[in-house]
Amino acid sequence: AQSVTQLGSHVSVSEGALVLLRCNYSSSVPPYLFWYVQYPNQGLQLLLKYTSAATLVKGINGFEAEFKKSETSFHLTKPSAHMSDAAEYFCAVRTRDDKIIFGKGTRLHILP
Amino acid sequence: DTAVSQTPKYLVTQMGNDKSIKCEQNLGHDTMYWYKQDSKKFLKIMFSYNNKELIINETVPNRFSPKSPDKAHLNLHINSLELGDSAVYFCASSNDGEAFFGQGTRLTVV
Repeated sequence: AQSVTQLGSHVSVSEGALVLLRCNYSSSVPPYLFWYVQYPNQGLQLLLKYTSAATLVKGINGFEAEFKKSETSFHLTKPSAHMSDAAEYFCAVRTRDDKIIFGKGTRLHILP
Repeated sequence: DTAVSQTPKYLVTQMGNDKSIKCEQNLGHDTMYWYKQDSKKFLKIMFSYNNKELIINETVPNRFSPKSPDKAHLNLHINSLELGDSAVYFCASSNDGEAFFGQGTRLTVV
């Protein structure tokens, strides 16, 4: 079964520092992969998606992710963290039967 | 215009009651979902409908019954509410791509 694993339930970075949130997927076929962000008391907002086109995907708010088939990874990065980036981040995969399966989430804390 | 809208946003009710959550999408998508997010923020898929037809039922207690009167609506009815049903319930829709989520319904069973 397809699944995603997010390493680290909490990540803290200083404002202005690099953000790296890790996601590994298991899939026997090229997957559709997503990163979503959830701000407190809100729904999920799509940051970016990978759909078998370019391996480096750019998203909103300065985030990007690189699909690495050899590592089965889809890590999310942002060069310079901003206080407003503090939120819960979810990696997700779309399965062949059209389910969207989420990782357990990573809470990103931004230190002033 | 809100793409995926859920009502109510908050729902507080007593154990044993029956309640419904409504969801509507104006994106023209064929597929709609219900997800449950627990206190640890884990998102678990409950149901998926495609063009009013149930596609996925993820071992959810049969106290939960989705209903799709048309492809723009997917409502969730819950019978005999239990304390463990307290969570945030999200509706979503998609069309062979990413899912668009509603703002969630925070259900508290007391």
